Amino acid sequence: QSALTQPPSASGSPGQSVTISCTGTSSDVGGYDYVSWYQQHPGKVPKLMIYEVSQRPSGVPDRFSGSKSGNTASLTVSGLQAEDEADYYCSSYAGSNNLVFGGGTKLTVL
Amino acid sequence: EVQLVESGGGLVQPGRSLRLSCAASGFTFDDYAMHWVRQAPGKGLEWVSGISWDSANIGYAASVKGRFTISRDNAKNFLYLQMDSLRAEDTALYYCARDMGTLTRRAFDFWGQGTMVTVSS
Repeated sequence: QSALTQPPSASGSPGQSVTISCTGTSSDVGGYDYVSWYQQHPGKVPKLMIYEVSQRPSGVPDRFSGSKSGNTASLTVSGLQAEDEADYYCSSYAGSNNLVFGGGTKLTVL
Repeated sequence: EVQLVESGGGLVQPGRSLRLSCAASGFTFDDYAMHWVRQAPGKGLEWVSGISWDSANIGYAASVKGRFTISRDNAKNFLYLQMDSLRAEDTALYYCARDMGTLTRRAFDFWGQGTMVTVSS
């Protein structure tokens, strides 16, 4: 049950696009389409942004999109806005009723 | 409105036990799997444990396996986490989270506000 690998930081200017990667193994990210992404602002509760690799819950702007290739999943935020500045975490099902998170990525809007 | 309210956190000495509770309301509790997720101060999220709708499928993180026990009472709409042999590294804010499905695998769509557990002598 090793944590998924995310870059510690990412940044972009308002209006730009930024992509955050989440790398696992064939036992988690690569083995199941149960990858999800969470946004967490400082002092706040995490919020689900993407589930099942690329599905957006109701209310999440379509600026947020997800994808997966092999053992790496990605979250893309298009048309960056100031309020997108937050920590982002990926999570994946890892088999045998287990789940695993990534270490988190701090997104800075320049 | 979905509500998850955790309780039971506090300051506890290493080696002692603590039981967390999560009161669920606003949805049909036994239609969903449930999880505990923790976050140490200044650190990232860590999945702790999950339980399917019928308690038949349970998973634990390697860091807590053998020390923590998850359970649920569908009649009372409560989720529990029994934490034994607590260590300093268990110090964290513990969140109760709902899974989108009946099994422990889809995604955490609703979260409680968390209850803080501090393990220290």
